[in-house]
Amino acid sequence: EAGVAQSPRYKIIEKRQSVAFWCNPISGHATLYWYQQILGQGPKLLIQFQNNGVVDDSQLPKDRFSAERLKGVDSTLKIQPAKLEDSAVYLCASSSRTGGGQETQYFGPGTRLLVL
Amino acid sequence: DQQVKQNSPSLSVQEGRISILNCDYTNSMFDYFLWYKKYPAEGPTFLISISSIKDKNEDGRFTVFLNKSAKHLSLHIVPSQPGDSAVYFCAASLGGGGFKTIFGAGTRLFVKA
Repeated sequence: EAGVAQSPRYKIIEKRQSVAFWCNPISGHATLYWYQQILGQGPKLLIQFQNNGVVDDSQLPKDRFSAERLKGVDSTLKIQPAKLEDSAVYLCASSSRTGGGQETQYFGPGTRLLVL
Repeated sequence: DQQVKQNSPSLSVQEGRISILNCDYTNSMFDYFLWYKKYPAEGPTFLISISSIKDKNEDGRFTVFLNKSAKHLSLHIVPSQPGDSAVYFCAASLGGGGFKTIFGAGTRLFVKA
């Protein structure tokens, strides 16, 4: 079974520029998550999709971050314009509900963003 | 507001001994707890989980204990192996793991041969 795919793996941009990240979840997984992991911290949830609808985007800085999941499969996360504090690893995860009613998230390798 | 805390940034253990990683949480509404393992340049990998209705879950060398009254959980690795050296994240969530997942800052485990 193929895992969660993310691209690019690394990105270096200057502040005020725009950047986009792509994620392809595990086939059949209805739920997709984007996390931001700043160095030395745990992943922080930015947005959660159920199919192509948003379940939770309470921690997404909506003045500069946007995300979409068209057709309920792959997803893109965009930052426009980027700030220095956006330097982090952006992780995508997907999950499906087991027979026991529990969900386990499977993570991609992440995109490491450096904003100069 | 850190709802999930891992107070030990690092832990060093001798191969063959027990590793105990600790995690505290503040929100009594969490109903599902997970441990993830992360190697450098990779995403976190699911390790083991426990529902709030249980106090122990075991999978091979890994056991997670949950003490709801103390809002504390721990991960035991017995015996520890050098390949276990990684960062371990504790996470707590609502809705059986599918909602409002919050991660701790992680504990880096070093297993010495």
